[in-house]
Amino acid sequence: QSVLTQPPSASVTPGQRVAISCSGSSSDFGNNYVYWYQQLPGTAPKLLIYRNDQRPSGVPDRFSGSKSGTSASLAISGVRSEDEADYYCATWDASLSGWVFGAGTKLTVL
Amino acid sequence: QVQLVESGGGVVQPGRSLRLSCAASGFFFKAYGMHWVRQAPGKGLEWVAFISYDATKEYYSESVKGRFTISRDNSKDTLHLQLNSLRPEDTAVYYCAKEDCAGDCFPDFWGQGTLVSVSS
Repeated sequence: QSVLTQPPSASVTPGQRVAISCSGSSSDFGNNYVYWYQQLPGTAPKLLIYRNDQRPSGVPDRFSGSKSGTSASLAISGVRSEDEADYYCATWDASLSGWVFGAGTKLTVL
Repeated sequence: QVQLVESGGGVVQPGRSLRLSCAASGFFFKAYGMHWVRQAPGKGLEWVAFISYDATKEYYSESVKGRFTISRDNSKDTLHLQLNSLRPEDTAVYYCAKEDCAGDCFPDFWGQGTLVSVSS
């Protein structure tokens, strides 16, 4: 069973770069893809990154994803005030036959 | 454009039932698997259930297995979630989400959600 661990919060000044980590507890996580979702205040989640590092059309290239072993990361470069949101990583857990989400990271743009 | 509109939420007493619906438009509904994901007030996302495009496969989280039932009506482009034996901890915004498959499958587009409040 995968548990995904994210830092509860992160902060960054506009224009700077920030990275949000997502660590998996299961060895299976090393073989799974990671997905990232952005949830702006009061809105539904939006897919930001799929298959570890792929951006859906319409997502700015300021957002990038990476994964190595049992750790994944979402990086945002040239942060803007509108990037202030909650960010969630997620993966499919075959042992549960279900999706697992991290607890989320609240990004504050100072 | 893709649209998912949830409905059916409300205030309900513990032990009672509720049926949520998700009306889909802007895509070929019958070709896509669908998810329900919930979010308790001030908390993170929790996956609830999945149904395959043809309703031959259903998966549930342990927290709702045996109490909730996901279903779909491909003739009406509508997804449902039947919530039985509701508990206060089921209080949440319930989102439906469309699956996409690009090499593998994952929730991509989400509706705006419907709030379920379980309270006596």
